[in-house]
Amino acid sequence: AQSVTQLGSHVSVSEGALVLLRCNYSSSVPPYLFWYVQYPNQGLQLLLKYTTGATLVKGINGFEAEFKKSETSFHLTKPSAHMSDAAEYFCAVSDPNNNDMRFGAGTRLTVKP
Amino acid sequence: KAGVTQTPRYLIKTRGQQVTLSCSPISGHRSVSWYQQTPGQGLQFLFEYFSETQRNKGNFPGRFSGRQFSNSRSEMNVSTLELGDSALYLCASSLQGTSGSTNEQFFGPGTRLTVL
Repeated sequence: AQSVTQLGSHVSVSEGALVLLRCNYSSSVPPYLFWYVQYPNQGLQLLLKYTTGATLVKGINGFEAEFKKSETSFHLTKPSAHMSDAAEYFCAVSDPNNNDMRFGAGTRLTVKP
Repeated sequence: KAGVTQTPRYLIKTRGQQVTLSCSPISGHRSVSWYQQTPGQGLQFLFEYFSETQRNKGNFPGRFSGRQFSNSRSEMNVSTLELGDSALYLCASSLQGTSGSTNEQFFGPGTRLTVL
């Protein structure tokens, strides 16, 4: 079975600073990995996903993540934070052979002016 | 293509009542999953339906049930509501099971249930 650990339930950065949200996964098979964002009172929106191929994946709103098999990590980064990035971010892992998707506990990102 | 829709968006019930929430997946998606989201417990998986069959189930009591219709629309029901059932209930649909699918789940806006 898969699992996801997001390090840090709250992350605060200044506007213009680097955003780094950490995600480590556990999976018995090569996983699919996802980052979702949730704004208040809304559903989750896909930011980016890794399935196969290039390990550095680019998503919407300037976010990217790198799949590192040796570290079982899939950290999310953005070079320069914007106030509109303030939201909750969820990392998720899925077994390609079924639809068993497991979500991390989420990281709330605060952006200070 | 229309996204995942959930009705109603907001609901207020009292303890002991029952509630039915509805989810219409994206056209062509046969997999529908339900999640409960609360500040304390985060995002918890309830169950998943695929082609009218419950395929996966989370660790929730039997008061939580669901079903899926032939058009892939899904409903979930919670009976004998408790205060702790107050939450945002999210529905997600997926192409999983379809050739080329990457298991990506598309989420609806959720139904905010308040139990008084």
